[in-house]
Amino acid sequence: DGGITQSPKYLFRKEGQNVTLSCEQNLNHDAMYWYRQDPGQGLRLIYYSQIVNDFQKGDIAEGYSVSREKKESFPLTVTSAQKNPTAFYLCASGTATTNEKLFFGSGTQLSVL
Amino acid sequence: AQKVTQAQTEISVVEKEDVTLDCVYETRDTTYYLFWYKQPPSGELVFLIRRNSFDEQNEISGRYSWNFQKSTSSFNFTITASQVVDSAVYFCALSRLDTGRRALTFGSGTRLQVQP
Repeated sequence: DGGITQSPKYLFRKEGQNVTLSCEQNLNHDAMYWYRQDPGQGLRLIYYSQIVNDFQKGDIAEGYSVSREKKESFPLTVTSAQKNPTAFYLCASGTATTNEKLFFGSGTQLSVL
Repeated sequence: AQKVTQAQTEISVVEKEDVTLDCVYETRDTTYYLFWYKQPPSGELVFLIRRNSFDEQNEISGRYSWNFQKSTSSFNFTITASQVVDSAVYFCALSRLDTGRRALTFGSGTRLQVQP
């Protein structure tokens, strides 16, 4: 079945530690996105990529980094510079034009120990 | 700047009641798209509908209906005869086509609880 796979479902970060969230899609989509969801704040865009080896900052990119070495994969690293990383992270993919719907993964809940 | 406002944070209804979720948007684009997504407790967002800015016809799909009014910049969502399975968080979203920054802008969501 085609879809988006995010892993792990739950992740815990220690102080000063970088952690990486995985996102893989087999929908042959060019565009991939990372959103952060906090209670009462909806979804905020962290980074997005329209094509392999290229990505752009979203509204809240500070403290995060990404790579897009393969079309299928768009991992997100939460660095130690992100002082408030506890949130639900959603990965999405779609065609390169945003008039088409996005497909979402099931999310990763990141918490700080 | 683009913005989506969902003023209703949480709504609670009893099964079989009708409920309307409000969405108001701001954009300078003349061409744009509006979306509704449903987020059940499992966490994954599920696409419900897409509407482009040139099509103001209302749409009905089963118990769901959408009212798009460009004059008031609103794209409201009504569930008729609500069911417990409708309990979820619902997001309204707007596509961004300006300055090449192509991504969706989401509202803060409305949590709907349908009581049996």
